[in-house]
This record gives sequence, C-alpha cells and structure tokens, in this order.
Amino acid sequence: EPEVTQTPSHQVTQMGQEVILRCVPISNHLYFYWYRQILGQKVEFLVSFYNNEISEKSEIFDDQFSVERPDGSNFTLKIRSTKLEDSAMYFCAILKEGETQYFGPGTRLLVL
Amino acid sequence: EDQVTQSPEALRLQEGESSSLNCSYTVSGLRGLFWYRQDPGKGPEFLFTLYSAGEEKEKERLKATLTKKESFLHITAPKPEDSATYLCAVRPWMIYNQGGKLIFGQGTELSVKP
Repeated sequence: EPEVTQTPSHQVTQMGQEVILRCVPISNHLYFYWYRQILGQKVEFLVSFYNNEISEKSEIFDDQFSVERPDGSNFTLKIRSTKLEDSAMYFCAILKEGETQYFGPGTRLLVL
Repeated sequence: EDQVTQSPEALRLQEGESSSLNCSYTVSGLRGLFWYRQDPGKGPEFLFTLYSAGEEKEKERLKATLTKKESFLHITAPKPEDSATYLCAVRPWMIYNQGGKLIFGQGTELSVKP
C-alpha cells in the first residue's frame, strides 16, 4: 500500500487557470514535499513543509505557487495562474524512517 | 553546486546478464544517498538508503554500494520485470538535521530483454 495517494491522477487546464493538486498521506507525518518532473527531465524539488510551515523552497517555487494543509491531513499544492511550462508530473512525498522520502503516484498536469 | 550524474543514460541487457549502474555525486556534505525505481508514468519507488562510505544494501537481485564520490547499483541476473528507470538522489547535509530536499540524477533507463 502506498504511503501517500494523490488526486487527481490527471488534470488538463487552460493557461492562466488555477489548479489545486492534493496529497493524502495514509498516516500522520511531519514532513511533506512537492517535486515535479517535466517529461524526459530530472525530478526537481519544489518545496518542503514541516509543522505547517514552509521549511525550504526552490527557485521554481515562485509567487504563483502555494502549499497548505487545510484540514490537518491533506496537503495541497496550488498554482494560481498556470503557464504552459507548468506541464509536468507533480509528486508529493513524505518523510519516513530517518531520511527516506516516499513518493506518491503523481498528478500529470497538462496546461493548454 | 550540489550535483548528481548517472551513467549510462540507457542500458540494454539480456535476461541473466549482470551489470552495474553508476551514480556520481558532488555535495558539500552527504546526509544520505537514495536509489529509486521509476516505471513509466509512475512515482519513484524507494529501493535503498545509504548513509556512509563502505555501506552496502541488498534486495533480491539488486545491491547498492557507496563510496565517498559515487554509488553503484549492481543488478545480478536481471529479469524483464527489472526494466525501469533507476534514479539516484542525494540529501545534502544542511544545518537542520532532518527533512532536507533530495537532488536527483537524470536516471538510467534499463531494458532487460528475455
């Protein structure tokens, strides 16, 4: 059984629209992460979230991105105004067993 | 700058033909090195964590080793179901001791033919 599930599995949106990607861990965790993978490229770190605060973010994570835990369990990534270059697989991860991160199945985002 | 480079980019093997994948890294300090398997359209699936030079981990046909500059993933007698992209990632040492980001290599795409 995966440590986290993600919804939706696929999302198609128009450029300029807002999208919200969701991550649902199967149990309580303190550390959450979002990564993205553009087709054919490396997995890239976006942001880490600890104790309900952003602990680290990359240059990619600009003002168009935000994260939150609205109900204490789900963990969301919001992109306010999507661009064509936001098309990618987005992965949520949780920290477990020391330094090991476990990844969700991903959300494939396509911006038209 | 922290960096991870994997080689080869792609590897084709016959079933039963053993080989090794390489992961070279440059980090200011290593908190951990991780191997993941990724199937097309899926999330990375955790395989191994290595923390210090000389450490080795094994799981079925896979064995991961770590030196101060690189890691190897050895595949012994591979089967077609081992076909996947294998990702290497490092967790650089940071002031805060836990929970830092991973830096990934570009992966090695392994294809095992029957």
